[in-house]
Amino acid sequence: DADVTQTPRNRITKTGKRIMLECSQTKGHDRMYWYRQDPGLGLRLIYYSFDVKDINKGEISDGYSVSRQAQAKFSLSLESAIPNQTALYFCATSGPGTGSSPLEQYFGPGTRLTVT
Amino acid sequence: QQQVKQSPQSLIVQKGGISIINCAYENTAFDYFPWYQQFPGKGPALLIAIRPDVSEKKEGRFTISFNKSAKQFSLHIMDSQPGDSATYFCAAMDSSYKLIFGSGTRLLVRP
Repeated sequence: DADVTQTPRNRITKTGKRIMLECSQTKGHDRMYWYRQDPGLGLRLIYYSFDVKDINKGEISDGYSVSRQAQAKFSLSLESAIPNQTALYFCATSGPGTGSSPLEQYFGPGTRLTVT
Repeated sequence: QQQVKQSPQSLIVQKGGISIINCAYENTAFDYFPWYQQFPGKGPALLIAIRPDVSEKKEGRFTISFNKSAKQFSLHIMDSQPGDSATYFCAAMDSSYKLIFGSGTRLLVRP
């Protein structure tokens, strides 16, 4: 997990607030992903990026936006948080790199977000 | 639309027993099938993966069985240990490098 870091690890916010979750990686990967985990639903893809100039919507992008500030940094924003966005959020990376299988996704430790 | 269906939702096994988790997929374009293991408070981590050109892959106590014609694959954990207690996710990937995950199985191995 140390290769992929997420901040904050826990966050409680109120409905309507804007919030940003940040992800950094030291694996030298080009591909980065944001997932949301809900009990009984597994992990669902929110957005993904294959390089700094490439941003793509995933399965559940409504209400979210992202920014790829650098190869190593990928942030997720909730413009106006709502209670049903309460979930665990994971960042992941993949791609050719030292000691990496190009297909394996490496996950960060997650951010637990609660919207009240 | 759930493209990867996983069962059971939860599983309790005695120490030393065999744990079996099943997944089925719909999209024949999927060509990489990993299993991820997640402990509480941690992110998922790759456990074992298979490509559709082989029917079985074994790594230690963990085996993936793959049935291409049935579009099904399963994870077998032999000699299950309490330390194997975790949530397991199957997944599938096509050529676009996106993973579609199953809904997860919470495994508890009793001592």
